[in-house]
Amino acid sequence: AQSVTQPDIHITVSEGASLELRCNYSYGATPYLFWYVQSPGQGLQLLLKYFSGDTLVQGIKGFEAEFKRSQSSFNLRKPSVHWSDAAEYFCAVVGTSGTYKYIFGTGTRLKVLA
Amino acid sequence: EAQVTQNPRYLITVTGKKLTVTCSQNMNHEYMSWYRQDPGLGLRQIYYSMNVEVTDKGDVPEGYKVSRKEKRNFPLILESPSPNQTSLYFCASSLGLGGANVLTFGAGSRLTVL
Repeated sequence: AQSVTQPDIHITVSEGASLELRCNYSYGATPYLFWYVQSPGQGLQLLLKYFSGDTLVQGIKGFEAEFKRSQSSFNLRKPSVHWSDAAEYFCAVVGTSGTYKYIFGTGTRLKVLA
Repeated sequence: EAQVTQNPRYLITVTGKKLTVTCSQNMNHEYMSWYRQDPGLGLRQIYYSMNVEVTDKGDVPEGYKVSRKEKRNFPLILESPSPNQTSLYFCASSLGLGGANVLTFGAGSRLTVL
C-alpha cells in the first residue's frame, strides 16, 4: 500500500542548531515528493518539491531536502534553525501517473528553544 | 492576491444541526479538494473535484457531501454532524490533477460538534 512515514512526532532543537526531519515513503514507482509547513493557525504552505533531476532540492526559508531512491527517503534539512521555524511539517507524495492522489505523512511538530 | 478562502474559520455546533463550510478560490483552478486533519493521523482526503459537476470520494467521505456548481466554489456540507466530525478542515486547490500541480491550501476551519 502507498504510504508516507514521518517517524518523529515531535522534535525540539535549540535556535541556531541544525535540523533534519525524516520522511520515508512506500510507493510503486518514484512519486513526486513535497514538504509542506503549517504554522500555527495557518494553512499548509509549500516548502519545496522534487519531481526529477538533482536529488538535492532547495526550498524557501533556507530549507533543503535530499531524495534518496535507494532508501525511499526525502529528508528535510536546515543548517541553522530560527525561532520562527516552529511549526508542523508534512511530507507528501503524489503519483506520476494514475490517480495523482496526494498522500500525506502524519506530520512532525518542531519546537525551537531560544 | 491568489488564495483559497474558507468560512467559517471557527465553528461550534451541536449534533444533528446541518452546516456548510464554504471554500472559494480565485486562481481559476480546476482541481479542488477537502481534507480533515486530526492529531496523529495527518491529512486525510474527504472529497475532491476535478472540474465543475465532477466530484469523487476520498478516503473518509462518510457523513459529508460536496458540490461543484461553479469552478471557484467547493462547499463542504455536513448534513447531520456528529462529535466524531470534530476536526480541522482544509480546502485546497490546484491548476490540474497531475502530480506536478502544487496544492494551494486555505487557512483551515476548526469545527467542534457537541
